[in-house]
Amino acid sequence: DQQVKQNSPSLSVQEGRISILNCDYTNSMFDYFLWYKKYPAEGPTFLISISSIKDKNEDGRFTVFLNKSAKHLSLHIVPSQPGDSAVYFCVASLNKLIFGTGTRLQVFP
Amino acid sequence: DTGVSQNPRHKITKRGQNVTFRCDPISEHNRLYWYRQTLGQGPEFLTYFQNEAQLEKSRLLSDRFSAERPKGSFSTLEIQRTEQGDSAMYLCASSPGGGLDNQPQHFGDGTRLSIL
Repeated sequence: DQQVKQNSPSLSVQEGRISILNCDYTNSMFDYFLWYKKYPAEGPTFLISISSIKDKNEDGRFTVFLNKSAKHLSLHIVPSQPGDSAVYFCVASLNKLIFGTGTRLQVFP
Repeated sequence: DTGVSQNPRHKITKRGQNVTFRCDPISEHNRLYWYRQTLGQGPEFLTYFQNEAQLEKSRLLSDRFSAERPKGSFSTLEIQRTEQGDSAMYLCASSPGGGLDNQPQHFGDGTRLSIL
């Protein structure tokens, strides 16, 4: 039973363009969401978070949007850079973290 | 700034052997978590500690698995009588805790376990 779903296993974007990563969740009890980035052979790195009392949180090039009625999140990266190429995990928190299966983002020149 | 440290980085062992991993969290972080990640999946929660108390265990944590955090600092995860299905990346994370529930967890680089 996958409570956090990332339906796009991969995404390819040109440098300078916007990357949009999507995520859906099923449990309405989730009240805190995070995005983590993971490079090969490293642990996940925290990127940005959002509380369920907000619908948007912005940090530099990264913006997370939350639509509670649709149980949907998205992460926008603009402008995308080659160093952003990594696997991105959408995560819900209920003390423990519940991860999606990840989206592999490739930013090409 | 010292992050979460995990040792060893890699462990190769024969089926049936016991293995132990260590995690040193960020100092002053009260909460410590263990996760397991298999190929193509996101990390899955195993267990977590608030100081030295183990507060939650996943049903993934069979009786062959045991975790400790004896002094509320570092933690160990032991797997007894390893099986092929135990091959995975074992990740440790820590967070401040202390009543602050919505805090990001900070991960180590994991221990990759391979069972021959």
